[in-house]
This record gives sequence, structure tokens and C-alpha cells, in this order.
Amino acid sequence: SQQGEEDPQALSIQEGENATMNCSYKTSINNLQWYRQNSGRGLVHLILIRSNEREKHSGRLRVTLDTSKKSSSLLITASRAADTASYFCAFTGANSKLTFGKGITLSVRP
Amino acid sequence: KAGVTQTPRYLIKTRGQQVTLSCSPISGHRSVSWYQQTPGQGLQFLFEYFSETQRNKGNFPGRFSGRQFSNSRSEMNVSTLELGDSALYLCASSGGELAGFYEQYFGPGTRLTVT
Repeated sequence: SQQGEEDPQALSIQEGENATMNCSYKTSINNLQWYRQNSGRGLVHLILIRSNEREKHSGRLRVTLDTSKKSSSLLITASRAADTASYFCAFTGANSKLTFGKGITLSVRP
Repeated sequence: KAGVTQTPRYLIKTRGQQVTLSCSPISGHRSVSWYQQTPGQGLQFLFEYFSETQRNKGNFPGRFSGRQFSNSRSEMNVSTLELGDSALYLCASSGGELAGFYEQYFGPGTRLTVT
């Protein structure tokens, strides 16, 4: 399957803690993106990292990409209850299609 | 700018019927993609349109079709509905010209239930 795989499938942390989510893929990619989805609603784009980049920051988000290991991680620092959502990695390969992983459910306890 | 809008938001249909879903992208965006989301299969790519042409297609049967109009609005059609077509259908628009190189902006989705 070309689908990405996220790890862990579910994560529960206390408010203020950091959350780390991982994504692995099997093909060569042009870029990798992370999205957030709140309770069956539309997805919100968080961050995009291109294949020639290794790290990117956006506010409390930090994304890394290791193309040799075909993996990426998303770090959310100082988590808040409002960060509770499902997080998806998505990547574009040679076929130019955006392929999503199964998602990670993050619960942040107040 | 107004976001991506999808209509209708909820739909209940019977097996064998057909359905048409509509998507209006962000103003200026020429790329529109459609996805199906189910608990079992996750998010699956259906197809992408750019300037009224289908640029990419996922692995779905021919019952699933789409089109894009000159104003970039898009519709997708599912004929001969099956129970397994029950899903959240998401539309996304993108402002870039190269397929798959830019972030996508998603609409709220259409929840289709087939009975």
C-alpha cells in the first residue's frame, strides 16, 4: 500500500506537555504535509515540508523530515486542550497524488 | 477570502440512486480535489481537476465521476449507490499550478448516508 503510516494511533497527554507524532512512508516524495481534523469536519493544513528540507517550524509546531528513513515527525509543544483532534500526514509522490495516512488521535487533558 | 464551500452538508440516499455533490473552491484557486473518508479506509483520493481537466484519478470504480466548470466550481457524481459509499466526502482546493506541490484547503465535507 502507498498509504502513509502514523505512529502512535492514539496519544493522550496532559495540557502543557509536548506531543510527538510520527509518520512513515514507502515511496519517494516531493513534499510531506500535516493536517488536523476536528471531529469529522474538514481538514486544516498545518505545515508543508519539501523533500529537500529537514526541519520546519510554525508557531508551536515543529516538523522534521528524514528522507533516508522515509519518515517525518510532528512535534506540538506546550499542548492545549484545543489541540485535541486527529492529525494526518500526507505526502505527494511521483504520481502527484496526495496520499494520507490513517491518522493519529490526540487527546489533551485539561 | 471565503473558504471552500460544499453543498449539501448532509444527504441520505437509497441504494441504487445517484447523487451529485458540489464544491466551490477558494476564489482564484484552479485545482479542486475530492476525497472519500471512511472509518475503515481513511482518506482516499478520488480525483483532481485543474482548469476543467481531470489531472489525476484515484482507484475508484467508474460509478464515481466528476467535472469542473470554467469558474472552477466542481461537482462529483456517484451513480448506482451502494451501502459502502456511505462516507464523508471532502473537497479541497489549491492555488498552485503544479499537482501535489501545495497545501490544500478543505471544505467542511458532505456526509452521505446510503440506506
